[in-house]
Amino acid sequence: KNQVEQSPQSLIILEGKNCTLQCNYTVSPFSNLRWYKQDTGRGPVSLTIMTFSENTKSNGRYTATLDADTKQSSLHITASQLSDSASYICVVILFSGGYNKLIFGAGTRLAVHP
Amino acid sequence: NAGVTQTPKFQVLKTGQSMTLQCAQDMNHNSMYWYRQDPGMGLRLIYYSASEGTTDKGEVPNGYNVSRLNKREFSLRLESAAPSQTSVYFCASSERSGTNYGYTFGSGTRLTVV
Repeated sequence: KNQVEQSPQSLIILEGKNCTLQCNYTVSPFSNLRWYKQDTGRGPVSLTIMTFSENTKSNGRYTATLDADTKQSSLHITASQLSDSASYICVVILFSGGYNKLIFGAGTRLAVHP
Repeated sequence: NAGVTQTPKFQVLKTGQSMTLQCAQDMNHNSMYWYRQDPGMGLRLIYYSASEGTTDKGEVPNGYNVSRLNKREFSLRLESAAPSQTSVYFCASSERSGTNYGYTFGSGTRLTVV
């Protein structure tokens, strides 16, 4: 079982609408949790980084939250734009087995339609 | 600033052929990584190099070898390609190998083994 589960797998929204993507993890403790944006045919690009003790981190129209009690994180996108169409990946980072281990979720594929 | 550059972008191999994927970064980062991304799964670490002159296995190293040629370049070699190695390969770098450093990813190499 993947230690980082994301939902939904895919999502279609209309331009200008808001959406929230979910990430449930079983890894604990960890150093930090990150959200990445991956455009088609490109590598992941970091959106937010939160340590274990942080609850919220914003980057423009992107706001990530972290609830360590329920082991959940969410990424909220406000006033979506066509350029937000991409995969969004939740990543938990910890030091394990002698190296920095990045545990990637499978991602949520978001399509923003005009 | 080019960041992390990967070559080639696309490659088709026949089973049993060999090839080397190239990666170079221009950010003076110490640590470099190779990941593979398969449909429906998160990225998985193949090999990493915490610093020039060192390389170590990640989660899925079987069938691969790496060379840290210098501080800038980190190559991944498939000695005898198998269909199970069909994947998208990403190279990444970070300033150092600590858990709080940012990761910069290349645009990926899409490899098909027939």
